[in-house]
Amino acid sequence: AQTVTQSQPEMSVQEAETVTLSCTYDTSESDYYLFWYKQPPSRQMILVIRQEAYKQQNATENRFSVNFQKAAKSFSLKISDSQLGDAAMYFCAYRSPVTGTASKLTFGTGTRLQVTL
Amino acid sequence: DTGVSQNPRHKITKRGQNVTFRCDPISEHNRLYWYRQTLGQGPEFLTYFQNEAQLEKSRLLSDRFSAERPKGSFSTLEIQRTEQGDSAMYLCASSLKANTEAFFGQGTRLTVV
Repeated sequence: AQTVTQSQPEMSVQEAETVTLSCTYDTSESDYYLFWYKQPPSRQMILVIRQEAYKQQNATENRFSVNFQKAAKSFSLKISDSQLGDAAMYFCAYRSPVTGTASKLTFGTGTRLQVTL
Repeated sequence: DTGVSQNPRHKITKRGQNVTFRCDPISEHNRLYWYRQTLGQGPEFLTYFQNEAQLEKSRLLSDRFSAERPKGSFSTLEIQRTEQGDSAMYLCASSLKANTEAFFGQGTRLTVV
């Protein structure tokens, strides 16, 4: 079974600064998908960024980018130019590529990001 | 609003009572998932539907839990004889295909007293 580990329960960053959230995972599969989801207080979870394991290039979405190290099974999220609206719980998640029963997401325990002025 | 809708948003029930939650996925999405999220934890998979077929159930889904998706549209999750350990946020998500983005609802927060 796949597992996802987020070792930072809380992180803090000053507005306009850069912060990196860590995630490691364990799998025996060679092809899979990795995601970062953001869960603001009392609001639904939204997808921040996704990475296909077969792609060597790190995914980027505006101020959000990942550092995907397949051999190390590491998938960190970098948030540049942090904004107050980035404050939320961030979850790293894994999904197998197989359709049907393996379409579910396996989540880490989350990292609470605080953004200070 | 064309997102995933969940009702009710909050539910407080006495131990031993039955509760039912509803999820309305995005209309063209044929895949629907239920997750449970307890305080300080990430969401954990409960069950998955493709259209009206329930294709997978987690071991977390005891025999007190049942989920349905009649006609492949909305879904219901029922918990019978609730226990305090059932207190959690129940999240619903839907997606169009297996390898496309899953969209989440705001969840139903259950408190069993």
